[in-house]
Amino acid sequence: AQTVTQSQPEMSVQEAETVTLSCTYDTSESDYYLFWYKQPPSRQMILVIRQEAYKQQNATENRFSVNFQKAAKSFSLKISDSQLGDAAMYFCAYRPAYSGAGSYQLTFGKGTKLSVIP
Amino acid sequence: IAGITQAPTSQILAAGRRMTLRCTQDMRHNAMYWYRQDLGLGLRLIHYSNTAGTTGKGEVPDGYSVSRANTDDFPLTLASAVPSQTSVYFCASREQSEQFFGPGTRLTVL
Repeated sequence: AQTVTQSQPEMSVQEAETVTLSCTYDTSESDYYLFWYKQPPSRQMILVIRQEAYKQQNATENRFSVNFQKAAKSFSLKISDSQLGDAAMYFCAYRPAYSGAGSYQLTFGKGTKLSVIP
Repeated sequence: IAGITQAPTSQILAAGRRMTLRCTQDMRHNAMYWYRQDLGLGLRLIHYSNTAGTTGKGEVPDGYSVSRANTDDFPLTLASAVPSQTSVYFCASREQSEQFFGPGTRLTVL
């Protein structure tokens, strides 16, 4: 079974600084997707960024970028120029590319609570 | 643009009572999911449906049932609620690789 580990339950960053959230995963699959979701206090789950395992280039979305190390099974999220609105829970998630008749479910890590200090 | 709606937003329920959480999507996605979110545990899959008329069990299905009579609706039923089912419940639908989440239902079972 796939597992996703986020080893940092809480982190903080000064406004305008850069922070990196860690995620590791375990899978025997060669093709899969990785995601970072943001959950602000409103509890809405918001997709921040997505990485396809067959793509070597790291995904980037504005101030958000990932460091995808397939051999190490590592998928960290870097937030540049942190803003107060970035304060939230961040979840790393995994999904296999092929699931046959299965669910294509997301397997989530336990989350990292990010605080942004003004 | 509605996306996914869930009802109720929150509910307090006595143990032993039956409860149905409603989920409706207007995106015509075939696949839908129910997750529960517990503090310190992230989100875990309860049940899923790949298309109308089919359902499957996820990681934590015990005590829950689902039905999928049509593409848009995917209700989750607790036949006899227990305190361990106190959680936030998210419904989601999937288009290709991306899942879209509803706003969640906070359920407290006393």
